[in-house]
Amino acid sequence: DTGVSQDPRHKITKRGQNVTFRCDPISEHNRLYWYRQTLGQGPEFLTYFQNEAQLEKSRLLSDRFSAERPKGSFSTLEIQRTEQGDSAMYLCASNGGTGYEQYFGPGTRLTVT
Amino acid sequence: GDSVTQMEGPVTLSEEAFLTINCTYTATGYPSLFWYVQYPGEGLQLLLKATKADDKGSNKGFEATYRKETTSFHLEKGSVQVSDSAVYFCALGSSGGSYIPTFGRGTSLIVHP
Repeated sequence: DTGVSQDPRHKITKRGQNVTFRCDPISEHNRLYWYRQTLGQGPEFLTYFQNEAQLEKSRLLSDRFSAERPKGSFSTLEIQRTEQGDSAMYLCASNGGTGYEQYFGPGTRLTVT
Repeated sequence: GDSVTQMEGPVTLSEEAFLTINCTYTATGYPSLFWYVQYPGEGLQLLLKATKADDKGSNKGFEATYRKETTSFHLEKGSVQVSDSAVYFCALGSSGGSYIPTFGRGTSLIVHP
């Protein structure tokens, strides 16, 4: 078991560009989560999937954000028309069964210039 | 809704000092409780958990006891090391069946030699 992986680890982009991040969860986990974390804050929930179904999405999430998990394995998070306020660490986590503990990836740090 | 309140940091200690980081929560039902640790530039790692009242979670010398009567889950360690310097997050798993956890804002711990 290699844990949760995320790619890329760092992304610098210009305002207005689109970016896409990938997350590969622990293979037997059916739930996958995306969070955003800014300096000095805890993870802020964005969305989560159970298998390929997107079950919940934060009401605070802009329409510029979209996530997919097409085959119930890896997931992608796309941000369209990036803004400077999108600069943050984007974390992916997974879990499975009846437990609530989360297993996090190393994160993707996005900087929008 | 569910919420988690942690003591504000940074907490600054000398090596071998006793550590307490306070955490209290508000939730309906009986959620599982967690402590996560985050080292600079990394994702969160599960440190310990407790799933019901009076349970004690422990790992790597850290302990926390699920106190339903005071709705608390304080993190303790008898003798901290420089390598314990990190940000610690208290979290609760949803008791409503949605599998979306709630995180505190984190407490930074700095341990000096």
